[in-house]
Amino acid sequence: GAGVSQSPSNKVTEKGKDVELRCDPISGHTALYWYRQSLGQGLEFLIYFQGNSAPDKSGLPSDRFSAERTGGSVSTLTIQRTQQEDSAVYLCASSVQMNTEAFFGQGTRLTVV
Amino acid sequence: EDQVTQSPEALRLQEGESSSLNCSYTVSGLRGLFWYRQDPGKGPEFLFTLYSAGEEKEKERLKATLTKKESFLHITAPKPEDSATYLCAVQAANNAGNMLTFGGGTRLMVKP
Repeated sequence: GAGVSQSPSNKVTEKGKDVELRCDPISGHTALYWYRQSLGQGLEFLIYFQGNSAPDKSGLPSDRFSAERTGGSVSTLTIQRTQQEDSAVYLCASSVQMNTEAFFGQGTRLTVV
Repeated sequence: EDQVTQSPEALRLQEGESSSLNCSYTVSGLRGLFWYRQDPGKGPEFLFTLYSAGEEKEKERLKATLTKKESFLHITAPKPEDSATYLCAVQAANNAGNMLTFGGGTRLMVKP
């Protein structure tokens, strides 16, 4: 596709359940990023991939959060045992390589009830 | 620690009334400063990258400028369709993680 694609666009889950969020970056983009945007808050960095490896996982808020990227393309962000404070919009972005502008997807709005 | 502060938090303009948005930053070596536009319910849309003090970039009614401590996004004769939240972000030169540090944004409302 022409842009970064994220699915699902909306997800409502019960507290304690696991969720998987998917990001399909722009074809040929080697760098991929996950951010979180909570209501009234700025964008919070979660994790960065260069190819399939993640040099920086420092932004993941707890060990309930994990992410992987396979084939240098699609990435999945997994949140285990979801909590209400995990409710936010999860944004994925990709760039041609590091140090170039990042293009964002539309985000996945996660609501934990 | 890298910090980005945007002001004002919200700005109401009449159509045609030019103004500027401010982005003040502290970073240990700037690799790049980025401006994005975000509409409600959508992801941020890339506008500009600035790399060094004195650099300017323009796109339609928008012009971004950069000094060693701040960046301005100038909006000339805005239209209602320019209403959005404008986000500023910095990337530090010593940042192995390549992350962007974002400001809180300026919510711009342009009334016809």
